[in-house]
Amino acid sequence: GAVVSQHPSWVICKSGTSVKIECRSLDFQATTMFWYRQFPKQSLMLMATSNEGSKATYEQGVEKDKFLINHASLTLSTLTVTSAHPEDSSFYICSARAGTGRYEQYFGPGTRLTVT
Amino acid sequence: DAKTTQPNSMESNEEEPVHLPCNHSTISGTDYIHWYRQLPSQGPEYVIHGLTSNVNNRMASLAIAEDRKSSTLILHRATLRDAAVYYCILRRALGLIGSSYKLIFGSGTRLLVRP
Repeated sequence: GAVVSQHPSWVICKSGTSVKIECRSLDFQATTMFWYRQFPKQSLMLMATSNEGSKATYEQGVEKDKFLINHASLTLSTLTVTSAHPEDSSFYICSARAGTGRYEQYFGPGTRLTVT
Repeated sequence: DAKTTQPNSMESNEEEPVHLPCNHSTISGTDYIHWYRQLPSQGPEYVIHGLTSNVNNRMASLAIAEDRKSSTLILHRATLRDAAVYYCILRRALGLIGSSYKLIFGSGTRLLVRP
């Protein structure tokens, strides 16, 4: 089956620094990638949708200047959390969909971010 | 976004069938019903999806009510590895073609499987 990887799997950073999380589709080309955030014991919250070569579409309430998303190729999307604060500590999950008309979304294993 | 309602948690015994219900009374005619599950500290995993007819695959079966206002995910023989949070999601198209969509997760049902 299709595989989506994320790197790193966990990261600890200091408040005020920026952190980049990578999401890769390993065996398929992902025209659309999605970024979710999940707090402990809560459901996934969609942050943004990105199409390759286009600007990301952010969900209401998500700061686009704080959560920078780049989808420069069909196999790679990155999420950069800028000027991280402790409240940004969360589980960040990406997912990818292959091509138009495809229904399955494949999810990455997630990245746990802790901001101290 | 169309909303789904699921019980917070359910318990099952190993090797027995499990029926996970989902209500989606505001479903529209073009909404697909998707089920994903999430094991602890992992990303969600696709389980099954359907539109109107019941669906079967190697993981589960999906029974959809005739009025489509509810559906049930059926695990025929629960195993300990099936313990997870199960999400029922309505896939709503964003564009006219319908190939563009996003998945909005609800709170899901936490399934506990007793050995």
